[in-house]
Amino acid sequence: QSALTQPASVSGSPGQSITISCTGTSSDVGGFNYVSWYQQHPGKAPKLMIYDVSNRPSGVSNRFSGSKSGNTASLTISGLQAEDEADFYCSSYSSSNTLVFGGGTRLTVL
Amino acid sequence: QVQLQQSGPGLVKASQTLSLTCAISGDSVSTYSATWNWIRQSPSRGLEWLGRTYHRSKWYSDYAVSVKSRITINPDTSKNQFSLQLNSVTPEDTAVYYCARAADSPTYPPTRFDPWGQGTLVTVSS
Repeated sequence: QSALTQPASVSGSPGQSITISCTGTSSDVGGFNYVSWYQQHPGKAPKLMIYDVSNRPSGVSNRFSGSKSGNTASLTISGLQAEDEADFYCSSYSSSNTLVFGGGTRLTVL
Repeated sequence: QVQLQQSGPGLVKASQTLSLTCAISGDSVSTYSATWNWIRQSPSRGLEWLGRTYHRSKWYSDYAVSVKSRITINPDTSKNQFSLQLNSVTPEDTAVYYCARAADSPTYPPTRFDPWGQGTLVTVSS
């Protein structure tokens, strides 16, 4: 069982917005602003999409945004596109000097 | 831009040593502004950070508690690459192994991995 809880799957139609949640505790997500999000297409390496809760690396579309409220972080994808279909993983720094990951969410674009 | 290219065998026998290499282009393994990491992914364990090496006037390596007794991560400045060695492997070490760059960070472990290598599926046979 992963340390951070994500929904197993989410789906949306092209053009719509979707949100993926990532729930932890006050010892990780809620206690620090070090949440990252990764996109992973099948057979490919993860790609950093969001770091430090809401920052986008250079080159990542502004359709991707991150936020946090309490012990839950969220990744929102607006203007859904077919190429967004992938697995998404969250991670967070933890007070026990560890890095915890979520179990992943499969995004399906209908 | 920074690119990481992994190499190494995809099959290792139980009790032996898993060895992988990650060649860096577009950056230097000796840079003071990043650390060089290994992460693995398996269906049973999910994503797991294994450790890192970095240079800050001297070389350092840090390892996850779960593998600390079995792991070594070393830089190779002559080839601008770094390596992973995991000793005494068991079938539970079967996973896709990734190398990744992490920007210098106030946290340990780092939390921002970008980019990643292409991944190497390593199967441990019993």
